[in-house]
Amino acid sequence: EAGVVQSPRYKIIEKKQPVAFWCNPISGHNTLYWYRQNLGQGPELLIRYENEEAVDDSQLPKDRFSAERLKGVDSTLKIQPAELGDSAVYLCASSLEAGGTDTQYFGPGTRLTVL
Amino acid sequence: KQEVTQIPAALSVPEGENLVLNCSFTDSAIYNLQWFRQDPGKGLTSLLLIQSSQREQTSGRLNASLDKSSGRSTLYIAASQPGDSATYLCAVRYDSWGKFQFGAGTQVVVTP
Repeated sequence: EAGVVQSPRYKIIEKKQPVAFWCNPISGHNTLYWYRQNLGQGPELLIRYENEEAVDDSQLPKDRFSAERLKGVDSTLKIQPAELGDSAVYLCASSLEAGGTDTQYFGPGTRLTVL
Repeated sequence: KQEVTQIPAALSVPEGENLVLNCSFTDSAIYNLQWFRQDPGKGLTSLLLIQSSQREQTSGRLNASLDKSSGRSTLYIAASQPGDSATYLCAVRYDSWGKFQFGAGTQVVVTP
């Protein structure tokens, strides 16, 4: 079974430029998560989707971040414009069910460097 | 504020020694707790998931215990191997629809 796929793996951009990350969850997984992980810290949730609906986006900086999950499968996370403080690893995860009893499966992440 | 703390931040042990990793949380009313492993440049891999009604979970050389009253979980790795070198993170969930609260992790190095 294929795992969670993310692209690109690495991205270097200059501040004020836009950037987008793509995630393909495990087939059949209804719940999709985007996390941000700063160096030396644990991941922090940005947004959670149940199918195509964003059910928890309270931690998403909505002035510059946006996300979508068309057709309830793939998802894209966008930053426009990027700031120096956005440098981090952006992780996508998926789980079969929304309930907390289910394990989350993580992708390898996209390492973003903003210069 | 709900916080999850992992101490120590880094640990080095010789091969064959047992590993003991600690996770503490300030709010004992948890829903479940999960231990993850993260290798450099990679995502997180789930190791063990403990529901609030459970006291421990075991998988191979790994054993995780949960003591809600004291706000602690411990991950034991028996007979450590160089391949166990990674960062280990614990994550706490406070309700079935809530988000995970992650600790910062413990970086483990097992020397041959």
